[in-house]
Amino acid sequence: NAGVTQTPKFQVLKTGQSMTLQCAQDMNHEYMSWYRQDPGMGLRLIHYSVGAGITDQGEVPNGYNVSRSTTEDFPLRLLSAAPSQTSVYFCASRGRSVMNTEAFFGQGTRLTVV
Amino acid sequence: DQQVKQNSPSLSVQEGRISILNCDYTNSMFDYFLWYKKYPAEGPTFLISISSIKDKNEDGRFTVFLNKSAKHLSLHIVPSQPGDSAVYFCAASRTSGSRLTFGEGTQLTVNP
Repeated sequence: NAGVTQTPKFQVLKTGQSMTLQCAQDMNHEYMSWYRQDPGMGLRLIHYSVGAGITDQGEVPNGYNVSRSTTEDFPLRLLSAAPSQTSVYFCASRGRSVMNTEAFFGQGTRLTVV
Repeated sequence: DQQVKQNSPSLSVQEGRISILNCDYTNSMFDYFLWYKKYPAEGPTFLISISSIKDKNEDGRFTVFLNKSAKHLSLHIVPSQPGDSAVYFCAASRTSGSRLTFGEGTQLTVNP
């Protein structure tokens, strides 16, 4: 059972380059989110989605775009990478239920922008 | 505005003793709270949760306590083991909400 799969695991970009971080889940979860982890700042929400076709901004959305064309996939796009986007990125999914549920995380993508 | 705060960046305890990790929140709309554990180079994994209708939830060595009036929760690990050494994140959400808000994390080190 794959759960939440993120690719790539590592990436080095030059300033101004663009790339897409991939995230896929096989649990049929409605909610998906992208977080970034920086030292001393915990996990900060970038963008999230409550279902296919619906996305919204989190705490730190600037410089990132998302789309949700299917339930399974939630890619994160960096249009013009900046050194401030050097971070570890985590994708998470969570089921919608009348009972509260936990979020499941991918293994992370370590991104360095030089 | 940091709605979930973990004031201790690190905690060191001896094997076999109790570890107590603390978390404070400011948003009174939060009514579901979770603890995640994270090892280096891995994603966070769910540990234990508590709903605001309870003040305690136990799962083996792990117990979470919730004090709603103080907007404070804590995670107790008894007895602590070296394998518990990890970063622990506190998170909060509204009932059936889509967003989790995380604290900064606490690095727990359990010394043999």
